[in-house]
Amino acid sequence: QSALTQSPSVSGAPGQRVTISCTGSSSNIGAGYDVHWYQQLPGTAPKVLIYSNNNRPSGVPDRFSGSKSGTSASLAISGLQAEDEADYYCQSYDSSLNIYVFGTGTKVTVL
Amino acid sequence: QLQLQESGSGLVEPSQTLSLTCAVSGVSINNVDFSWSWFRQPPGKGLEWIGYIHQSASTLYTPSLKSRLTIGADLSKNQFSLNLTSVTAADTAVYYCARNQYDRRGKYPPYFDYWGQGILVTVSS
Repeated sequence: QSALTQSPSVSGAPGQRVTISCTGSSSNIGAGYDVHWYQQLPGTAPKVLIYSNNNRPSGVPDRFSGSKSGTSASLAISGLQAEDEADYYCQSYDSSLNIYVFGTGTKVTVL
Repeated sequence: QLQLQESGSGLVEPSQTLSLTCAVSGVSINNVDFSWSWFRQPPGKGLEWIGYIHQSASTLYTPSLKSRLTIGADLSKNQFSLNLTSVTAADTAVYYCARNQYDRRGKYPPYFDYWGQGILVTVSS
């Protein structure tokens, strides 16, 4: 069982805004550890979208944004595009397990 | 351009040892600024971090695999490796290697900015 919980799926029409949540606990996100977000297109390796809660690597569109509050974090995708259809994972560190942890993953479907 | 490439056996018999190598080009794995991790993803499931190695000496493993796991490095070939003993069908997965990137502002944990393309390892007789 993962230390970080995500909703299994979200969907939206092209152009809409969707939000993916990542819920943790006092031993990971709530302890102040940063949250990173990854996009995994079918059959490919994950790609970092957001690092350190709200920073975009070079080349990632500003349609992607991240935030963190308390024991949770969120990834927002605005202006949803067909190419955004993928699995998304949050990632942090859990001090009680002493491991890097991933969320359970959220599948984004573009209607 | 930094690149990582996994290689190894795609089919391993139960109770045997799974061995994989990640060849790195574009940066030395001995660079003090980075660590190097292994992950796996069972078919249709989520990502699991397995462990990392730093400067070929320091390692950290996920507790659930620690008794069966060894991560090592070959500096002469600029590659690092994963050995997982006594495998079962539950170890069937796509295995990835990646670089740990640490935020210069001292934030933690690191994120994983460069990944290999992944290698499917099936445990079956």
